[in-house]
Amino acid sequence: IAGITQAPTSQILAAGRRMTLRCTQDMRHNAMYWYRQDLGLGLRLIHYSNTAGTTGKGEVPDGYSVSRANTDDFPLTLASAVPSQTSVYFCASSVYSGRGTDTQYFGPGTRLTVL
Amino acid sequence: GDSVTQMEGPVTLSEEAFLTINCTYTATGYPSLFWYVQYPGEGLQLLLKATKADDKGSNKGFEATYRKETTSFHLEKGSVQVSDSAVYFCALSDPLNYGGSQGNLIFGKGTKLSVKP
Repeated sequence: IAGITQAPTSQILAAGRRMTLRCTQDMRHNAMYWYRQDLGLGLRLIHYSNTAGTTGKGEVPDGYSVSRANTDDFPLTLASAVPSQTSVYFCASSVYSGRGTDTQYFGPGTRLTVL
Repeated sequence: GDSVTQMEGPVTLSEEAFLTINCTYTATGYPSLFWYVQYPGEGLQLLLKATKADDKGSNKGFEATYRKETTSFHLEKGSVQVSDSAVYFCALSDPLNYGGSQGNLIFGKGTKLSVKP
């Protein structure tokens, strides 16, 4: 059982380019999340999805989009990357019951550098 | 809105020392509380959790008690090891957090722990 996989592991990207970070889970969790981790700021939620076919905005959604076509996959797209999007991106998943989250399970992260 | 405040790091201890990392929270409802650990170069892993007041979460020698009266969830370990060196995050999940995902985790900024032999 792999849990959550993310790809790529790391990427250097020119400003203005489009980039999709991939996230796949095999735990059949209904909820998935994207966070970014920045030094001194902890983890901040970008977008979330409580079930396939639905998505929502988190704390820092600007410049990012997501889709949830099926239970397993939750890609994050940067339409036109800017240097302030340099960060480590973590995907997570959990069982969501409508009464708050159970334990969230995290992927290994993608380190993105935008030049 | 909901928030988590944890002690600033970094924290440097000698092996076998006692560890406390303070965490306090503000929440609209009755949140679940978590401690996550991030080892160098890895993602976050759940360390322990508590879902209601007075619950004690424990794992790998770490403990934290959900204190509603002081809105705290301090992490403790009686004798740390070099292998405990990591960044520790306190987090909450508030089902009444109508401002965002009701499944969202709200994280503190993290506390880096370094344990010296």
